[in-house]
Amino acid sequence: AQSVTQLDSHVSVSEGTPVLLRCNYSSSYSPSLFWYVQHPNKGLQLLLKYTSAATLVKGINGFEAEFKKSETSFHLTKPSAHMSDAAEYFCVVTDMYSGGGADGLTFGKGTHLIIQP
Amino acid sequence: GAGVSQSPRYKVAKRGQDVALRCDPISGHVSLFWYQQALGQGPEFLTYFQNEAQLDKSGLPSDRFFAERPEGSVSTLKIQRTQQEDSAVYLCASSLSGTGFYNEQFFGPGTRLTVL
Repeated sequence: AQSVTQLDSHVSVSEGTPVLLRCNYSSSYSPSLFWYVQHPNKGLQLLLKYTSAATLVKGINGFEAEFKKSETSFHLTKPSAHMSDAAEYFCVVTDMYSGGGADGLTFGKGTHLIIQP
Repeated sequence: GAGVSQSPRYKVAKRGQDVALRCDPISGHVSLFWYQQALGQGPEFLTYFQNEAQLDKSGLPSDRFFAERPEGSVSTLKIQRTQQEDSAVYLCASSLSGTGFYNEQFFGPGTRLTVL
């Protein structure tokens, strides 16, 4: 079985300051991990993904995430927030051998990122 | 280029009505997924197609939910005798290959269903 926990439902930062969105996962086997972003009235967009290659993953729009197996974490960071980063962010896990959902993704409940001017 | 499209974008139904939600995946994408996203929650997996074959429907919440993809392209999610708890955004996603987790899933904008 697989699950993912996003530790903060809301995160508020000032424009130009660093962003940290926290995610912990649980997986019986070797997980693949993703971060998706959802802007209002738009489809979910993939930010980055980890699939057992480099543990530090770089994504679009300056975001990156580090896979830490010992901590079962996959936190999303960005050095400097922009107003356009305001959105809902989802941490997602899929387990290669889960057998359920046939590569369907297991989403966290989301973190709403607020950018203060 | 065209992405995943869904129609209608918004649907209001009276309790007990049947509804049909349409998904047009990206042309040539083999895999198609349906998810349900309740208010304030993350999307939850409903069902998965590889071409026209429905390989997994373990996430469908009841036998009132039915999905099809008869020609391996467009898919329809049908909900019979809608209930208030069916109110949610229904998301469709497609990916190029059958091995979904190696391939990015591209999501449509969703259909927001409200059952009164």
